[in-house]
Amino acid sequence: AQRVTQPEKLLSVFKGAPVELKCNYSYSGSPELFWYVQYSRQRLQLLLRHISRESIKGFTADLNKGETSFHLKKPFAQEEDSAMYYCALRGSSASKIIFGSGTRLSIRP
Amino acid sequence: NAGVTQTPKFQVLKTGQSMTLQCAQDMNHEYMSWYRQDPGMGLRLIHYSVGAGITDQGEVPNGYNVSRSTTEDFPLRLLSAAPSQTSVYFCASSLWGASGVSDEQFFGPGTRLTVL
Repeated sequence: AQRVTQPEKLLSVFKGAPVELKCNYSYSGSPELFWYVQYSRQRLQLLLRHISRESIKGFTADLNKGETSFHLKKPFAQEEDSAMYYCALRGSSASKIIFGSGTRLSIRP
Repeated sequence: NAGVTQTPKFQVLKTGQSMTLQCAQDMNHEYMSWYRQDPGMGLRLIHYSVGAGITDQGEVPNGYNVSRSTTEDFPLRLLSAAPSQTSVYFCASSLWGASGVSDEQFFGPGTRLTVL
């Protein structure tokens, strides 16, 4: 079965502190993983995809197949990073994208 | 381009009532889907479609029907609403190709539904 687990419902850090949003997955094949973000009063949107190995808004995420993880990291948090973050996985049939339960990131000034 | 639009934005129903949530996109995307968003549960896939005339079930399809008569529209029907269907509903669309659904889903603004 395909599953995405985000163990933290809420993560609160001070501005300038490092951020790590955890994501673990369960999948039997070669996964494709993504991070989506929903800012206040905005639509859910793609933040980054593991396959492109890019840094978006200072965020990076590395796929660790050994630990089945895809944690989202940023070295120095900014107040505008406050949002809801969802980890997502594209399934084996490639016809579905499964989302985790989400983590609300709150950056304190 | 309007992108993905959803109507209504808010709706209150009584148990047993029926209604249709509308979703439309103007990006000529083959793939469309419906998710519900619940606190602590994240986004759960209800139904999806890979093209006009083709629909399939997601993770939580019970109590919902869909149809896809055109590329642009993908309505979600609640035949007999239940309090457990109180949620925020999101429609999304994306490209669909040889490698399956595109990783970049375009989401609508959501419909907040309350069933009393």
